[in-house]
Amino acid sequence: DGGITQSPKYLFRKEGQNVTLSCEQNLNHDAMYWYRQDPGQGLRLIYYSQIVNDFQKGDIAEGYSVSREKKESFPLTVTSAQKNPTAFYLCASSISGGGDIQYFGAGTRLSVL
Amino acid sequence: GQQVMQIPQYQHVQEGEDFTTYCNSSTTLSNIQWYKQRPGGHPVFLIQLVKSGEVKKQKRLTFQFGEAKKNSSLHITATQTTDVGTYFCAGDFGNEKLTFGTGTRLTIIP
Repeated sequence: DGGITQSPKYLFRKEGQNVTLSCEQNLNHDAMYWYRQDPGQGLRLIYYSQIVNDFQKGDIAEGYSVSREKKESFPLTVTSAQKNPTAFYLCASSISGGGDIQYFGAGTRLSVL
Repeated sequence: GQQVMQIPQYQHVQEGEDFTTYCNSSTTLSNIQWYKQRPGGHPVFLIQLVKSGEVKKQKRLTFQFGEAKKNSSLHITATQTTDVGTYFCAGDFGNEKLTFGTGTRLTIIP
């Protein structure tokens, strides 16, 4: 069953804690993306990667970090520097980036305790 | 910067009425895509428009790409409760990523 898997579905963060959101795809896509969505708002790009071991900042990268050690995986760490992390986080992938069609995971809802 | 403006932000319609959302860019797009996000769900790709003046239909949905490739619209005829959700356009400016519009949230009054 091909697709994008995000885990966990719900996540709670304590003050000063770093948390990592998982995103795995078995579509053999080169490009992967992380978006943040606040209630009733659009999609804001956090980071994206077009190839293994390379990634670029999006529009709101501050307080977040990523890695791309494997083609299939693009984990996002929400660091303690991100003061307002409560949001819905969406991971997506596309065949090769640019204007390619993007396929989204089911998302992770992050809340602060 | 490269932005895609989408209007309206919200639209409430009676079931059976039509609905239209519009996207506008200040610069020419290589292509434009439309996505639908159901409440509590994730965006799902609907369609991609590439050619100037292109019109595509999917059942009750009609998608248009402007002649100048700077604007696009999505029109739904005779809305149904299954049409509820947020509709996003996403523009390709020829760089490394898509630029998503702010979305139009459609609610249906039964």
